[in-house]
Amino acid sequence: GAVVSQHPSRVICKSGTSVKIECRSLDFQATTMFWYRQFPKQSLMLMATSNEGSKATYEQGVEKDKFLINHASLTLSTLTVTSAHPEDSSFYICSAASGQMNTEAFFGQGTRLTVV
Amino acid sequence: DQQVKQNSPSLSVQEGRISILNCDYTNSMFDYFLWYKKYPAEGPTFLISISSIKDKNEDGRFTVFLNKSAKHLSLHIVPSQPGDSAVYFCAVQETSGSRLTFGEGTQLTVNP
Repeated sequence: GAVVSQHPSRVICKSGTSVKIECRSLDFQATTMFWYRQFPKQSLMLMATSNEGSKATYEQGVEKDKFLINHASLTLSTLTVTSAHPEDSSFYICSAASGQMNTEAFFGQGTRLTVV
Repeated sequence: DQQVKQNSPSLSVQEGRISILNCDYTNSMFDYFLWYKKYPAEGPTFLISISSIKDKNEDGRFTVFLNKSAKHLSLHIVPSQPGDSAVYFCAVQETSGSRLTFGEGTQLTVNP
């Protein structure tokens, strides 16, 4: 299957700093990328949808100024958690799809963010 | 408002037996249904899917059943293997795009 690479897999940062997470599609062009967040023992919650070259669409309750998403190319999307706080500690997962109607999105390995 | 529900947070079965994971949804507009398997600290891995025009899809040991009138789908794994132990998420897709809405997940444990 298609490969989606997410980096870093684990990051610890100090409160108030910013963290960037990268999501790359390695063998296909991802016109749409999705960012999810998973709290312990809970489901994956969609944060935002990004299409290459346009602004991301954020889900209700997700602060767009705090979670900056950039989808500058067909193979790369980044999520930047700005001014991170301990409550932002979570497991962040990206997924990539090759078309608007592509049903089988492929997921990255996830990033465990810990804010201390 | 939980649109997709997996009411069993955990399931334990014996190796070689059948595992049945269930999922209920509320929106009849959902058009595509998927199951993902997830290990701790990893992203979900796609397992099997079914479109709303079908009621069954089979792939090796995995079979997904869809009951549209009941808004219910299930994943059958037979025979179950210890390596199947993981969290299983059902996900649904709205007709108009590829956004996925996930259930809460079911932790499957297959005992040797």
